[in-house]
Amino acid sequence: KQEVTQIPAALSVPEGENLVLNCSFTDSAIYNLQWFRQDPGKGLTSLLLIQSSQREQTSGRLNASLDKSSGRSTLYIAASQPGDSATYLCAVKGGSYIPTFGRGTSLIVHP
Amino acid sequence: DTGVSQDPRHKITKRGQNVTFRCDPISEHNRLYWYRQTLGQGPEFLTYFQNEAQLEKSRLLSDRFSAERPKGSFSTLEIQRTEQGDSAMYLCASSQESQRNIQYFGAGTRLSVL
Repeated sequence: KQEVTQIPAALSVPEGENLVLNCSFTDSAIYNLQWFRQDPGKGLTSLLLIQSSQREQTSGRLNASLDKSSGRSTLYIAASQPGDSATYLCAVKGGSYIPTFGRGTSLIVHP
Repeated sequence: DTGVSQDPRHKITKRGQNVTFRCDPISEHNRLYWYRQTLGQGPEFLTYFQNEAQLEKSRLLSDRFSAERPKGSFSTLEIQRTEQGDSAMYLCASSQESQRNIQYFGAGTRLSVL
């Protein structure tokens, strides 16, 4: 059974810092990995999707990397802003179409 | 409408009552998913449909839960005889078979069982 762990569980940083969120998974036979953002009381917004054959994806200030063999992914946020405050979820999809989610990292960026 | 729509956004009910939630997927998305998310946890898969066929159900979906997707369009999730442990955010997502990697999520229905 796939298990997904996200570290740290919570993070508070001053505006402008570069930061790294970590996601690890136990079964390396994955189809893809996706990072989501969730604002309090809201649904999920997809940020980046990395296919199993890819090593990284970039969108604006966000960069996600994937090391399938070691079961790790990182989400890098450059020059963090207060508007980045949210919970960031990692989801891993195996052979089925059902993703397994981590518990998320709760990020606060203070001015 | 360009997104997944869920109704209601919030539902407060008393223990033992039945509740029904609705999800309208993105047009032409033939796959529809239901998840449950409790506080501090990631979403947990409940069930999914391809068109009108319910193809997979999680063990989390007890016999008090039922989901339908008549005509392969909108879907409903009903919880009978609600319990306090059913309090959670219920999320719906849809995807297109040709792009089945990517699920688009609705804003969710927050259920509180008193």
